Amino acid sequence: QQPVQSPQAVILREGEDAVINCSSSKALYSVHWYRQKHGEAPVFLMILLKGGEQKGHEKISASFNEKKQQSSLYLTASQLSYSGTYFCGTDRLTQGGSEKLVFGKGTKLTVNP
Amino acid sequence: DTAVSQTPKYLVTQMGNDKSIKCEQNLGHDTMYWYKQDSKKFLKIMFSYNNKELIINETVPNRFSPKSPDKAHLNLHINSLELGDSAVYFCASSHKLVVPGELFFGEGSRLTVL
Repeated sequence: QQPVQSPQAVILREGEDAVINCSSSKALYSVHWYRQKHGEAPVFLMILLKGGEQKGHEKISASFNEKKQQSSLYLTASQLSYSGTYFCGTDRLTQGGSEKLVFGKGTKLTVNP
Repeated sequence: DTAVSQTPKYLVTQMGNDKSIKCEQNLGHDTMYWYKQDSKKFLKIMFSYNNKELIINETVPNRFSPKSPDKAHLNLHINSLELGDSAVYFCASSHKLVVPGELFFGEGSRLTVL
């Protein structure tokens, strides 16, 4: 089942903050976050596995709520380099035990000077 | 060295033709994937292979046939191309099959069907 991302698009001025949400109607095994710049491949940001978990790298962080049905990505003091489309991915374990990562529709973030 | 490399990067062809996209990873990963990204940027999984074995086959038309000669390579052959096949096809690999892991994507192959 595809996770739901919101908002679809965000426009910021450099230095402003943004929050991108990712939700599912069922508890998730994990949540993955990726960023894709225009014309490039998606690049991994982070994975969250545990309910209540928070992770971060410099000014980009994410949380996974206790019920493991929602994750939020926080971009603080945005920089021009943050522009791109952000995807959350949620997994589904198949019958064989393998993992299938299903991505949301993405959130397009534009940071202007 | 590019970790996950795809060829060709661009492909323009006529409806009805057959084409192939090749993918190679030098990361020593066991699992490889094909994802399709359409014009609306929706990233959808197509296939997953683990050590040359097909693991995931999403409801993809039979015209699409993946082949993995070894765990470092995953190719995608498409027969009788249709307009709707136009998209960017991304190859990806990951280290572990069951435990969720980071996906390493190739640069993508943009297919345009005229």
